[in-house]
Amino acid sequence: EAGVVQSPRYKIIEKKQPVAFWCNPISGHNTLYWYLQNLGQGPELLIRYENEEAVDDSQLPKDRFSAERLKGVDSTLKIQPAELGDSAVYLCASSPGLAATDTQYFGPGTRLTVL
Amino acid sequence: DQQVKQNSPSLSVQEGRISILNCDYTNSMFDYFLWYKKYPAEGPTFLISISSIKDKNEDGRFTVFLNKSAKHLSLHIVPSQPGDSAVYFCAASEAGAGSYQLTFGKGTKLSVIP
Repeated sequence: EAGVVQSPRYKIIEKKQPVAFWCNPISGHNTLYWYLQNLGQGPELLIRYENEEAVDDSQLPKDRFSAERLKGVDSTLKIQPAELGDSAVYLCASSPGLAATDTQYFGPGTRLTVL
Repeated sequence: DQQVKQNSPSLSVQEGRISILNCDYTNSMFDYFLWYKKYPAEGPTFLISISSIKDKNEDGRFTVFLNKSAKHLSLHIVPSQPGDSAVYFCAASEAGAGSYQLTFGKGTKLSVIP
């Protein structure tokens, strides 16, 4: 079974530029998560989708961050414009979504560097 | 304010010995706890979990202990192997309230020395 796929794996941009990350969850997983992981920290939830619906986006900085999950499968996370402090690893995870105790399976992440 | 704390940034253990990784939490509403393992350039991988109705859960070489009164859990790895060298994250959630949100600690880097 294929795991969670993310691309690109690495991205270097200059500040004020836009950037987008793509995630393909495990087939059949209804719930998709985007996490932010700063250096030396644990992952922090940005947004959670159940199918196409963003059911928890309370921690997403909506002035510059946006996300979508069209057709309830792939998802894109966008930052516009990027700031120096956005340098981090952006992780996507998915779970079957049937219960809160369902295991969350993480992708390898996208490491963003903002210069 | 960190709700999940892993106070040891790193731990070194000899191969074959026991590794004990510790985690403390402050939110008494947490009722589901997990450990994830992370290798460099990879995403976290689920290792083991425990519900608050239990005080121990075992899976092969990995055992998680939960002390609710102390708000403390630990992960025991016996025997430790070089392939166990990774960063281990403790996470918690209010699953009983239907929350899917995991709150992670900062991680402990385990080095198993051959």
